[in-house]
Amino acid sequence: EAQVTQNPRYLITVTGKKLTVTCSQNMNHEYMSWYRQDPGLGLRQIYYSMNVEVTDKGDVPEGYKVSRKEKRNFPLILESPSPNQTSLYFCASSFDTTGRYGYTFGSGTRLTVV
Amino acid sequence: GNSVTQMEGPVTLSEEAFLTINCTYTATGYPSLFWYVQYPGEGLQLLLKATKADDKGSNKGFEATYRKETTSFHLEKGSVQVSDSAVYFCALSVHTGNQFYFGTGTSLTVIP
Repeated sequence: EAQVTQNPRYLITVTGKKLTVTCSQNMNHEYMSWYRQDPGLGLRQIYYSMNVEVTDKGDVPEGYKVSRKEKRNFPLILESPSPNQTSLYFCASSFDTTGRYGYTFGSGTRLTVV
Repeated sequence: GNSVTQMEGPVTLSEEAFLTINCTYTATGYPSLFWYVQYPGEGLQLLLKATKADDKGSNKGFEATYRKETTSFHLEKGSVQVSDSAVYFCALSVHTGNQFYFGTGTSLTVIP
């Protein structure tokens, strides 16, 4: 089944403890992206990647890192999480960089930082 | 800049009622337009799309027409069901690196 897989689905952590949220897609998609979803703010893009080893900042990149060493994987790294990073996170991928095909989204990761 | 504005929610309808969720956009060039649906506890799913002016996207009884003259892409369904209860997002893509712009979402609840 074609899908974007995120792990974990739920995570509670403490301030300052480094964490990684994994994202993997099995569709050979070129484009991958991370979003956070917050009430009243909709989806905001954190980082995106147009291909292997090519990443760039979205609208809210502060406090996050990403890497794209393989086409299928695009992990999101929080080096020192803070409570304002408590959110629902989505990874998404797209066939190419034109945007015409839409996104396939993962099921989300609900992160709580205490 | 590029942006999407969709009607505020929440929207509550009775089963079999007609649904309209308004969406307008601002974009440079000729964007592609999308509607996504998010069911409780799940990720967003692509509902329908249109890639050029006057195109009509349709899926599962939902429709939306790309209106360049009014910069709109309103979502409609003739008869909603309880199972349509979800949050609906309008989005656009301008075909460059920072591809997609999402509206803030409209929550729909359909009551029997």
